[in-house]
Amino acid sequence: DADVTQTPRNRITKTGKRIMLECSQTKGHDRMYWYRQDPGLGLRLIYYSFDVKDINKGEISDGYSVSRQAQAKFSLSLESAIPNQTALYFCATSDSLSEQFFGPGTRLTVL
Amino acid sequence: AQSVTQPDIHITVSEGASLELRCNYSYGATPYLFWYVQSPGQGLQLLLKYFSGDTLVQGIKGFEAEFKRSQSSFNLRKPSVHWSDAAEYFCAVGLMEYGNKLVFGAGTILRVKS
Repeated sequence: DADVTQTPRNRITKTGKRIMLECSQTKGHDRMYWYRQDPGLGLRLIYYSFDVKDINKGEISDGYSVSRQAQAKFSLSLESAIPNQTALYFCATSDSLSEQFFGPGTRLTVL
Repeated sequence: AQSVTQPDIHITVSEGASLELRCNYSYGATPYLFWYVQSPGQGLQLLLKYFSGDTLVQGIKGFEAEFKRSQSSFNLRKPSVHWSDAAEYFCAVGLMEYGNKLVFGAGTILRVKS
């Protein structure tokens, strides 16, 4: 089984809808991250969390919110989706000094 | 501000030829450096990392990278490319004082021609 899973893998939605992307990990890591990937821009950090009680904004947090329900679960919400949030979203985990381990990604299309 | 530059958006090499992907970073402290690969439709897989010590780092799939502090570079190399190496490659710098945040370059798409 994959160490970092994301659901759904693909989602098409309409402008104004609320969307939640979910991430689960079995690696036992405390740190979890959400990124979005856009062609030609690489990956940009949206939010990150060091533990259940810790949430931090990344470089592009506007229009997004997160919830860390448990050590193993980290959800990303788009309260009112807009077309420029169409992107590939990745969840990642790490311990304090290791590399980050990435999930398979969620492709989100906002019409 | 911290940044990572990958100057080549696309690179095409012949199968069996050598490969070098360039990466330059801007960061005030000693960097932690990573190369990730993303195959089409897949997530990111770590190729190699540099934290300290030997500046020539060996990774998976026959890749290596060399950290050159004087040039602020961490270029990725492979002596002989295989068709399965076609993918997008990302260089990243880890900001350990900010909780292991990663700053990514824009990526380099590698095409391999037979």
